[in-house]
Amino acid sequence: SQQGEEDPQALSIQEGENATMNCSYKTSINNLQWYRQNSGRGLVHLILIRSNEREKHSGRLRVTLDTSKKSSSLLITASRAADTASYFCATDGGRDKLIFGTGTRLQVFP
Amino acid sequence: NAGVMQNPRHLVRRRGQEARLRCSPMKGHSHVYWYRQLPEEGLKFMVYLQKENIIDESGMPKERFSAEFPKEGPSILRIQQVVRGDSAAYFCASFPGGAGYNEQFFGPGTRLTVL
Repeated sequence: SQQGEEDPQALSIQEGENATMNCSYKTSINNLQWYRQNSGRGLVHLILIRSNEREKHSGRLRVTLDTSKKSSSLLITASRAADTASYFCATDGGRDKLIFGTGTRLQVFP
Repeated sequence: NAGVMQNPRHLVRRRGQEARLRCSPMKGHSHVYWYRQLPEEGLKFMVYLQKENIIDESGMPKERFSAEFPKEGPSILRIQQVVRGDSAAYFCASFPGGAGYNEQFFGPGTRLTVL
């Protein structure tokens, strides 16, 4: 089964609001990454957080990692309609292969 | 520097036909991964290749599926005698290799539809 499970499966918000997505995983990791996928497109790498890091920021993105709970969260602040996409967490599955979660589908309404 | 290229972007096959999916990694990248994404699901690892070598094919079905990454030319994912359940988006990702973490760069995917 897949390593990561995202919650919620779908999220709808208004522009300007914050969006929070959560990811849980099952085994020990070296790092965890978040990707975005626009409808019908490939994946875009957003941010990587290593197992010894607790929080990381990149622009409007904030990622946290709690290795004791085997969970991570992605916060998008001041969301925009262009943030509408599916968001996936991915953990390292050995030999650098990625184990993806099921994704959160984010809809941002103007 | 062009990104990861995949072709075709869309492929329609009838049951029993063969599907060939191509992936050209970014320049200088010698490592390629193939992933499959079923509708409304995340990506699932299929196979990891370096030039002329299959490193890990643990995610690839034992029958009908094969992959190669020749010394020259793109990586090929080949599906023989396709069935409806093979309908999915197939993504490849590349990275340069070497010590330390390597970010994977994804191609736009090939969407396979089996009629």
